[in-house]
Amino acid sequence: TQLLEQSPQFLSIQEGENLTVYCNSSSVFSSLQWYRQEPGEGPVLLVTVVTGGEVKKLKRLTFQFGDARKDSSLHITAAQPGDTGLYLCGSGNTGKLIFGQGTTLQVKP
Amino acid sequence: DTAVSQTPKYLVTQMGNDKSIKCEQNLGHDTMYWYKQDSKKFLKIMFSYNNKELIINETVPNRFSPKSPDKAHLNLHINSLELGDSAVYFCASSPSQSIWRQGSTTPLHFGNGTRLTVT
Repeated sequence: TQLLEQSPQFLSIQEGENLTVYCNSSSVFSSLQWYRQEPGEGPVLLVTVVTGGEVKKLKRLTFQFGDARKDSSLHITAAQPGDTGLYLCGSGNTGKLIFGQGTTLQVKP
Repeated sequence: DTAVSQTPKYLVTQMGNDKSIKCEQNLGHDTMYWYKQDSKKFLKIMFSYNNKELIINETVPNRFSPKSPDKAHLNLHINSLELGDSAVYFCASSPSQSIWRQGSTTPLHFGNGTRLTVT
């Protein structure tokens, strides 16, 4: 069974700082999705990465897929309080999507 | 125009009771899921239904019984509730279970969760 490990588990930063969160696996990802979950809501897809080495940008968010497709990172530039939430990486496996344990991000004004 | 809706939003009940959570999606998707999110925010799949047929059962206690009357609805009934059942339960849907293959970019659509508290 593929396991996804995310780090760090918790991150509390000031508005304007940069940060990176990581998602790693012992086996190769077929594809990887990043979701953000805000308090009281369900996770919402941010991006899907498929090709090793792929980089995708979503405004201030940059997603990178490792060359060997066993790791991924999410970098946020100049974090805003609106970026606060739980960031989850997920990978498809045998008809289901499994998730890492998530990174809880708090951005203080 | 809510895509995946689940009710109730909050559920507080005593140990030993039986309760149900309802889920409906208006996206025309074939596959629906129940996930459980524990107090540490870990989101774990419980069940998956494809066109009303159970296709994934992740070793969930048989006190949990999902029911899909049609492909737009997936309900979750829980018997003899225990303290450890306290969690947030999320319903989700996707076009089909076969989307989880290489190159798939289709998202999972989640409801806003049901917070179950067992006292």
